[in-house]
Amino acid sequence: AQSVTQLDSQVPVFEEAPVELRCNYSSSVSVYLFWYVQYPNQGLQLLLKYLSGSTLVESINGFEAEFNKSQTSFHLRKPSVHISDTAEYFCAVILDYKLSFGAGTTVTVRA
Amino acid sequence: DTGVSQNPRHKITKRGQNVTFRCDPISEHNRLYWYRQTLGQGPEFLTYFQNEAQLEKSRLLSDRFSAERPKGSFSTLEIQRTEQGDSAMYLCASSLEARGNTIYFGEGSWLTVV
Repeated sequence: AQSVTQLDSQVPVFEEAPVELRCNYSSSVSVYLFWYVQYPNQGLQLLLKYLSGSTLVESINGFEAEFNKSQTSFHLRKPSVHISDTAEYFCAVILDYKLSFGAGTTVTVRA
Repeated sequence: DTGVSQNPRHKITKRGQNVTFRCDPISEHNRLYWYRQTLGQGPEFLTYFQNEAQLEKSRLLSDRFSAERPKGSFSTLEIQRTEQGDSAMYLCASSLEARGNTIYFGEGSWLTVV
């Protein structure tokens, strides 16, 4: 079975500092990988996705993630965070048309 | 494109009552999904439809749960004889058919069973 593991449940970070959220997946087949963000009391919004091609994918708000097949990882990074980045972040993999999510990483940005 | 719409957004019900949630997907999206999310956890798959056909149901979907998508557009998720363990956020999502297409989520419906 395919699964996703998010290695950090909570990540506190100061404003303008970099952040990395770790995600590992287990799969023996080609994967499509996603990062979703969930702000308090809201649904999930897509941040970025990897389907094929370039292993480095970027979002419009400064996040990037790199697909690493040898390490089966899809870590999410941002070089400088804002207070507004405080949210829960979910890594997910798709198989047979449905998403399987990790447990999530709560990012709390402090001034 | 008005996004995935869910209602009600919040529902408080007494144990043993029935509740129904509605989801209106993005128009033209033929796939529709239901997920459940509890505090501190990632969303868990419940079921999905392609058009009006329910193609897969998770073992999480007990006999008290039923989902329909009668005309291949909106969907309902009904929970009968609610239990306190049903308290969660129920998320609906939709996508176009094709592997790798983005799955778009609604704002969710919070259920509290007291």
